[in-house]
Amino acid sequence: QKEVEQNSGPLSVPEGAIASLNCTYSDRGSQSFFWYRQYSGKSPELIMFIYSNGDKEDGRFTAQLNKASQYVSLLIRDSQPSDSATYLCAVKGSSGNNNDMRFGAGTRLTVKP
Amino acid sequence: SAVISQKPSRDICQRGTSLTIQCQVDSQVTMMFWYRQQPGQSLTLIATANQGSEATYESGFVIDKFPISRPNLTFSTLTVSNMSPEDSSIYLCSVHRTGGIDEQYFGPGTRLTVT
Repeated sequence: QKEVEQNSGPLSVPEGAIASLNCTYSDRGSQSFFWYRQYSGKSPELIMFIYSNGDKEDGRFTAQLNKASQYVSLLIRDSQPSDSATYLCAVKGSSGNNNDMRFGAGTRLTVKP
Repeated sequence: SAVISQKPSRDICQRGTSLTIQCQVDSQVTMMFWYRQQPGQSLTLIATANQGSEATYESGFVIDKFPISRPNLTFSTLTVSNMSPEDSSIYLCSVHRTGGIDEQYFGPGTRLTVT
């Protein structure tokens, strides 16, 4: 079992729709969860982080965390073509060390005009 | 956030040669990391670059193949030694600042092709 799993996609949504990206992780003691956006040919860019169960909203982005289910998600409301990218889920393990950060393989999102 | 630059941005190298990648940060950071991202794959941590001491390597990566230097809190180098086509990848420098928000930032990456 991979430590951080994501659907590879591609996920295609029409412009203006809600895009839902999902991630599960294996280390039950994990405390910190991150979403990175990576445009083709570019490096990952941090867009959201969440530490507590529940929802965290930032503009059009909402991160959702359920530690009991070991599940974290990212919702993108009013999706725009500029949101088309690969979204990486990252989980910091129970050690809390940054060298214990594990990344999913990413979900490729395409927003169609 | 942190502004991170890497040199070179890309290179094409011959098998058996070595390439040194530089990473410069605009401010002092306590933790610097080197990652590899192969085509269509996620990020794999190669090592943690420790200031003033030897780097800490992850399983599957060794110092002879990926020597790392970190002479100060804003600069690090990663060398890919005795390259083979399997080393073709994007190499990313990453930094983390202690204190405040627990965020990790990535440099623009170095795209390496070994022929």
